[in-house]
Amino acid sequence: DQQVKQNSPSLSVQEGRISILNCDYTNSMFDYFLWYKKYPAEGPTFLISISSIKDKNEDGRFTVFLNKSAKHLSLHIVPSQPGDSAVYFCAASRSRGKLIFGQGTELSVKP
Amino acid sequence: EPEVTQTPSHQVTQMGQEVILRCVPISNHLYFYWYRQILGQKVEFLVSFYNNEISEKSEIFDDQFSVERPDGSNFTLKIRSTKLEDSAMYFCASSEQGQGQPQHFGDGTRLSIL
Repeated sequence: DQQVKQNSPSLSVQEGRISILNCDYTNSMFDYFLWYKKYPAEGPTFLISISSIKDKNEDGRFTVFLNKSAKHLSLHIVPSQPGDSAVYFCAASRSRGKLIFGQGTELSVKP
Repeated sequence: EPEVTQTPSHQVTQMGQEVILRCVPISNHLYFYWYRQILGQKVEFLVSFYNNEISEKSEIFDDQFSVERPDGSNFTLKIRSTKLEDSAMYFCASSEQGQGQPQHFGDGTRLSIL
């Protein structure tokens, strides 16, 4: 199932700088998009979401941008902190249905 | 903060045996889900459950799988006759009613089939 793709398996940034994680999707019927963070041996933790009627949603250091015409969303973390080091998953759903996950991007924030 | 609780954290079972994975969703949530992640692969949807019935299931969720909400707090996934390929992390999730409510996940049960 390739409906949601995260093309970068890993990303390394310096502490204090911006982290940008990207996600592409193919199904134009998706109307709700989410980002989850996952540490080893834990379940995905919800970070932030965005409805398809918006193009931006912000929560503290986390901002999600949605470009519907490009079928692309991104997560910005500013400033990045070492505790942000984890695997980040984007997910999409349609009308409260199942979540379709991307493969994940492993973020490493260096002190 | 309320959380989804899953037990056991690790289950080792012989192939062909039945296994039951247990979940306690967040108390005011009405929608319940099971997902799994095979090592090195994506998290994939198995089944969703609302109002005491399955609302959607994937191709993976065949006759060997079943879900139940036996009381007001537990949500279980049963695999009737386990296969080697059922080895995976199984995640339970729940969400509130209403549009735009995120699913919240438990820490998973690692199922190992020998």
